[in-house]
Amino acid sequence: AQSVSQHNHHVILSEAASLELGCNYSYGGTVNLFWYVQYPGQHLQLLLKYFSGDPLVKGIKGFEAEFIKSKFSFNLRKPSVQWSDTAEYFCAVSYTGTASKLTFGTGTRLQVTL
Amino acid sequence: EPEVTQTPSHQVTQMGQEVILRCVPISNHLYFYWYRQILGQKVEFLVSFYNNEISEKSEIFDDQFSVERPDGSNFTLKIRSTKLEDSAMYFCASRGEVVEQYFGPGTRLTVT
Repeated sequence: AQSVSQHNHHVILSEAASLELGCNYSYGGTVNLFWYVQYPGQHLQLLLKYFSGDPLVKGIKGFEAEFIKSKFSFNLRKPSVQWSDTAEYFCAVSYTGTASKLTFGTGTRLQVTL
Repeated sequence: EPEVTQTPSHQVTQMGQEVILRCVPISNHLYFYWYRQILGQKVEFLVSFYNNEISEKSEIFDDQFSVERPDGSNFTLKIRSTKLEDSAMYFCASRGEVVEQYFGPGTRLTVT
């Protein structure tokens, strides 16, 4: 079965610290990879996506992610987090030929302290 | 910027009652989805809909669930006889030709 693993369930960082959130997916062929963010009380918003091409993708608000095919990973990074980055982050994958349904990881709750 | 909307934002119902959750996808989108998130758990796929028919559904989407696109704008999820375990946040999503899905704000369903 298709699955996505997020290793960190709850991360607490101080402002200006660097962030890396892990995401691994199970093999299933050609994949499309996404990171979504859910700010408190708000809906899921797309941070960034990877379909093909350059494995290092840049998203909104200074986030980036690197697709490493050999490791089935798509880790999210940000060099310097801000208090406003406090949110829940979800990695998701869709596989070609599955009507593009998204399979989500369990999410990582990021808390940024001042 | 166009967005997916959902109504109501919160629905409370009694066990055994029918509920209909409504979604208005982005107007030129062709693919529609329902997901749910039980409190404290991950977002789970329920069903995808394209060209007026279900294209894929999960194990969760049993005979108690149905979807419909009754007109050119709405996309509904009906739960015929709600159970306590149906309590969750239900998200609608839509997409165009590009794979990227846009999510609505969700409907919190509470079954008592």
